Amino acid sequence: DAKTTQPPSMDCAEGRAANLPCNHSTISGNEYVYWYRQIHSQGPQYIIHGLKNNETNEMASLIITEDRKSSTLILPHATLRDTAVYYCIVRVAIIQGAQKLVFGQGTRLTINP
Amino acid sequence: DTGVSQNPRHKITKRGQNVTFRCDPISEHNRLYWYRQTLGQGPEFLTYFQNEAQLEKSRLLSDRFSAERPKGSFSTLEIQRTEQGDSAMYLCASSLRLAGGSTDTQYFGPGTRLTVL
Repeated sequence: DAKTTQPPSMDCAEGRAANLPCNHSTISGNEYVYWYRQIHSQGPQYIIHGLKNNETNEMASLIITEDRKSSTLILPHATLRDTAVYYCIVRVAIIQGAQKLVFGQGTRLTINP
Repeated sequence: DTGVSQNPRHKITKRGQNVTFRCDPISEHNRLYWYRQTLGQGPEFLTYFQNEAQLEKSRLLSDRFSAERPKGSFSTLEIQRTEQGDSAMYLCASSLRLAGGSTDTQYFGPGTRLTVL
């Protein structure tokens, strides 16, 4: 089911931009790319999603390549509280338009002081 | 705080006992999902409700598991005759699908951590 590939771990210095890559080479034309993160022992937190255009919100920016086969999540000014596991997810349709999230292993991002 | 609440937050039980977890979604959300997460793994989909109807169940949801959403609001997940392999974090998520909308975002609760001794 999982159709995304992410590096298992990354480090970033506090205050710098964290760029998390994701490959989703088999993505279909109507599938969205979602990003969630999970801080230890908490539920996953929604960050951002996109279809084909770049997106930005108060948490992050999402850059999707023109062929939609990969994307990058950007945390512009990483803080220690951004240390978490980041999941890139291509949603899988199940029934009546609902979509289950298929989580892979994610990227463990560590922000260093 | 996403607005999705789960109770209890932690549950320790002995093998063979029954346990029940509750999820209260964001109030206007018509869709509710249950996921399970074991140590070191990402969450795995278990089941999905649209309003009170359970529309999809994963093969992970054995006969010992049952989920309900009786009035289309809160949901319960019951595990009968618990086994040690049931030890995991059980996560609930909810979303609002609007007519004509192309996607809906799932918001997760804090989870219920089950330990079966």
